[in-house]
Amino acid sequence: KNQVEQSPQSLIILEGKNCTLQCNYTVSPFSNLRWYKQDTGRGPVSLTIMTFSENTKSNGRYTATLDADTKQSSLHITASQLSDSASYICVVSASENYIPTFGRGTSLIVHP
Amino acid sequence: EAGVVQSPRYKIIEKKQPVAFWCNPISGHNTLYWYLQNLGQGPELLIRYENEEAVDDSQLPKDRFSAERLKGVDSTLKIQPAELGDSAVYLCASSLDRDYNEQFFGPGTRLTVL
Repeated sequence: KNQVEQSPQSLIILEGKNCTLQCNYTVSPFSNLRWYKQDTGRGPVSLTIMTFSENTKSNGRYTATLDADTKQSSLHITASQLSDSASYICVVSASENYIPTFGRGTSLIVHP
Repeated sequence: EAGVVQSPRYKIIEKKQPVAFWCNPISGHNTLYWYLQNLGQGPELLIRYENEEAVDDSQLPKDRFSAERLKGVDSTLKIQPAELGDSAVYLCASSLDRDYNEQFFGPGTRLTVL
């Protein structure tokens, strides 16, 4: 069964600090991996997408990495801001049917 | 251009009552998804439409849930009768097509069943 596991479940950091969120998956055959940001009470918004041949992708202060061999991805947030407080969801799609498998998300709280 | 529109944003009903959610996807998007999201969990796919054809509906509880996408544009998700365990956020998303393209999500409908 395709699965996506994220860690930590929740994280609290001070404004200005960096943090890294982890995603492990068993989805096969692999097509692509996305990181989404979901603010409270809103739908998820895509941050990055990576395919098999890509091992890093940046979007402003967000940098995602992908190790297709170990089936791991990380999302690094640099110089966190209060507006980064949200849930970050890892989503992996299989190439045979493109059905996305969602992780449970990491809840990030940035304190001033 | 407007994003994915969902209504209502909030709905409170008593158990055993029917309820319907409406979704208007981004213009030109052929693929439409309905997801269920429980608190603290990631979205779970209920059904995916390719134009007006329903595909990937294995997670849709067909005894009480139904969906339609007439003319391949707007979509409606219905629950009849609702149960206490149906309380959740129902998200609608759309994409140009199913392959590789980004899904754009609506704000969701928060359902509370009393």
